[in-house]
Amino acid sequence: GENVEQHPSTLSVQEGDSAVIKCTYSDSASNYFPWYKQELGKRPQLIIDIRSNVGEKKDQRIAVTLNKTAKHFSLHITETQPEDSAVYFCAASIPGGGADGLTFGKGTHLIIQP
Amino acid sequence: KAGVTQTPRYLIKTRGQQVTLSCSPISGHRSVSWYQQTPGQGLQFLFEYFSETQRNKGNFPGRFSGRQFSNSRSEMNVSTLELGDSALYLCASSILFGTLNEQFFGPGTRLTVL
Repeated sequence: GENVEQHPSTLSVQEGDSAVIKCTYSDSASNYFPWYKQELGKRPQLIIDIRSNVGEKKDQRIAVTLNKTAKHFSLHITETQPEDSAVYFCAASIPGGGADGLTFGKGTHLIIQP
Repeated sequence: KAGVTQTPRYLIKTRGQQVTLSCSPISGHRSVSWYQQTPGQGLQFLFEYFSETQRNKGNFPGRFSGRQFSNSRSEMNVSTLELGDSALYLCASSILFGTLNEQFFGPGTRLTVL
């Protein structure tokens, strides 16, 4: 089945700096890559997603890049703010869902230092 | 539009008991997926239901089962509870079958097995 590795597990950045979280996946058939943000005690919420026919997608301060050849995708957050502090999960999904459904990475705890 | 709701929010059970969790998807959403979230394993896919049929199943023992009703509400059952079943159980709904569509998560049910 699909396996998603996510790094780093913890990331601390100064407010205003950029943060980058990286994920790799194993199944070349995967073609949907969402990113979820989970604040403490709250439900995961989709912040951005990308499909395999697109190399990059941007939404204000958040961007995601996808390299299908290398089977990795990354989340970029620019001009970080205190409210960006949360756990971020990447995920991968194959067409039709497959037996693995959405396969998540283990998460990155992003800490924004004031 | 109301979000995904889950009941109960908290449960305490003892080993050997069984438990039923409930999930009501967003109105109009026909797909419901279930995930187990633990600090050590992260978010793991349990199963997905669409039109009252289980479409996908993750790598969990047969003690974990579910069903979906004609109104798209879903229930998850865990029999013969073990200590390791203590986790946050999240359901997510999407409009269509398959995890290529944005999934909206509920607040989760926190299950503690003593």
